[in-house]
Amino acid sequence: EAQVTQNPRYLITVTGKKLTVTCSQNMNHEYMSWYRQDPGLGLRQIYYSMNVEVTDKGDVPEGYKVSRKEKRNFPLILESPSPNQTSLYFCASSLRREGETQYFGPGTRLLVL
Amino acid sequence: GQNIDQPTEMTATEGAIVQINCTYQTSGFNGLFWYQQHAGEAPTFLSYNVLDGLEEKGRFSSFLSRSKGYSYLLLKELQMKDSASYLCAVINDYKLSFGAGTTVTVRA
Repeated sequence: EAQVTQNPRYLITVTGKKLTVTCSQNMNHEYMSWYRQDPGLGLRQIYYSMNVEVTDKGDVPEGYKVSRKEKRNFPLILESPSPNQTSLYFCASSLRREGETQYFGPGTRLLVL
Repeated sequence: GQNIDQPTEMTATEGAIVQINCTYQTSGFNGLFWYQQHAGEAPTFLSYNVLDGLEEKGRFSSFLSRSKGYSYLLLKELQMKDSASYLCAVINDYKLSFGAGTTVTVRA
């Protein structure tokens, strides 16, 4: 089944404790992206990647890191999480072709205490 | 910068029609997507417009006017399962910028 998977789905952590949210897709998509979704603000892009070893900042990259060592994986790293990073996170992927929709993972709900 | 506006909430009756408007002012434009998002779930693709005009897909239609920076999503024959958030998103050079979403509540 074609899909985007994220792990973990739910995470409670404390300020400053490094964490990684994994994202994997099995559709051979070149493009991958991370978003956060907060009430009243909608989805905001954190980082995106056009292909392996190519990443770029989105609208809200502060406090996050990403890597794209393999085509299928695009982990999101929070080196020192803070309470303002409490949010719902979505990973998405797509082909690099005009009009191609992005396919979203199921989401990761993060609470930073 | 990107500015994408849509109403926060709309309520309609089962079987009725609802139109969700989206206006945008963005630094670039390659196309406009509409997504549906049920509470606690991932967004799912509804439609894509790149040229002016109306695209119809079953009960859902989407319209675009590039000169006016305006789009709408039309939901016909509303069903209870259509209660969800509807997200307008502009794509520019593979970068997707979203509006805050419109929550549609369908009443029996």
